[in-house]
Amino acid sequence: QKEVEQDPGPLSVPEGAIVSLNCTYSNSAFQYFMWYRQYSRKGPELLMYTYSSGNKEDGRFTAQVDKSSKYISLFIRDSQPSDSATYLCAMRTQGGKLIFGQGTELSVKP
Amino acid sequence: DARVTQTPRHKVTEMGQEVTMRCQPILGHNTVFWYRQTMMQGLELLAYFRNRAPLDDSGMPKDRFSAEMPDATLATLKIQPSEPRDSAVYFCASTAGSDTQYFGPGTRLTVL
Repeated sequence: QKEVEQDPGPLSVPEGAIVSLNCTYSNSAFQYFMWYRQYSRKGPELLMYTYSSGNKEDGRFTAQVDKSSKYISLFIRDSQPSDSATYLCAMRTQGGKLIFGQGTELSVKP
Repeated sequence: DARVTQTPRHKVTEMGQEVTMRCQPILGHNTVFWYRQTMMQGLELLAYFRNRAPLDDSGMPKDRFSAEMPDATLATLKIQPSEPRDSAVYFCASTAGSDTQYFGPGTRLTVL
């Protein structure tokens, strides 16, 4: 079993929909939780970064962490075609390594 | 606009050939990572360096892969001999010690 599990999708939604992306993890030592966005044929770029349990909001994006359930989520409100990309969750170990989920491919249709 | 650069962007080679990929981290970044991305396995860490010293290469097949940082502006990843299963996109990322890793555009490797 992988340390970080993420449904690879693909996920297709109409423009304006609320999108929910999720990851589960097994290592309780993970302290930092991130979401990266990767457009086709590009490198991943950091989208959101959280440390503690709870919610963090940035514009249309909300990252949620539930350490007790070992579950993190990314919500996208009012989704746009430009949000079409692969979203990867990542967890940082104490040694500084990032462990990535498989990535969820999202397509937002106009 | 500081960016991580990688060369070559695409490489097609035949099984058994040596492949060298290069990465120029963002100036001033002291930690460099090498990742491999495939459809099946996703994004996997191969090795990383801090202040040019290798810290962890446990994700790398030791018999054919090697990673080095000859100086602060250049990281290399070599595969010798290459095999078809090495076909993937190889990413380099760098950071200045914060938790934000900046990724390069990747090298798309195809081994025939």
